[in-house]
Amino acid sequence: AAGVIQSPRHLIKEKRETATLKCYPIPRHDTVYWYQQGPGQDPQFLISFYEKMQSDKGSIPDRFSAQQFSDYHSELNMSSLELGDSALYFCASSRMGQGWYEQYFGPGTRLTVT
Amino acid sequence: KQEVTQIPAALSVPEGENLVLNCSFTDSAIYNLQWFRQDPGKGLTSLLLIQSSQREQTSGRLNASLDKSSGRSTLYIAASQPGDSATYLCASRSYNTDKLIFGTGTRLQVFP
Repeated sequence: AAGVIQSPRHLIKEKRETATLKCYPIPRHDTVYWYQQGPGQDPQFLISFYEKMQSDKGSIPDRFSAQQFSDYHSELNMSSLELGDSALYFCASSRMGQGWYEQYFGPGTRLTVT
Repeated sequence: KQEVTQIPAALSVPEGENLVLNCSFTDSAIYNLQWFRQDPGKGLTSLLLIQSSQREQTSGRLNASLDKSSGRSTLYIAASQPGDSATYLCASRSYNTDKLIFGTGTRLQVFP
């Protein structure tokens, strides 16, 4: 079965640079979620989108922005990167009204800021 | 504010044992609860989801229960195998939010 696709899988950036992470949800899924998992920590919710509209917002820094496009893929844009942004970034997807909104996670993008 | 804790933090057992992993949450008004498996440096694999009106769900050797009144969920793993070695995370979702709140996980090692 098709899973959530994230690209790139690994990304190395320097401080103050920008990064763009991409997420392609499972086919027919209409909701996308972004999470950040720091080293040795549990995942923290950043933001979610349903039908291209922001659905919920968590602890996402103002330096980050995200959107969902007409084909339901989503991008997380990160600017003025800081060392503390180094983490594993997960995208998850679900389909409204299906399976009690079970969230299916992608493999993650490992971002390293030097 | 919902808080999720997991006990034990780590567990090491011989192959074949039946295991119980515990998850506690402070806000009983949850919408659903998911159990995940995470291998080191890898993504999260959804194992089971229990909706608020259910008491348990089963998938193969896995059984998860939910007791909202006591704020607890347990993941039962039958006949453990070395391939079960991973970190197991529970995560709760409340009404009117998309956010999953994760516990800190139980790191499981099953040795032959």
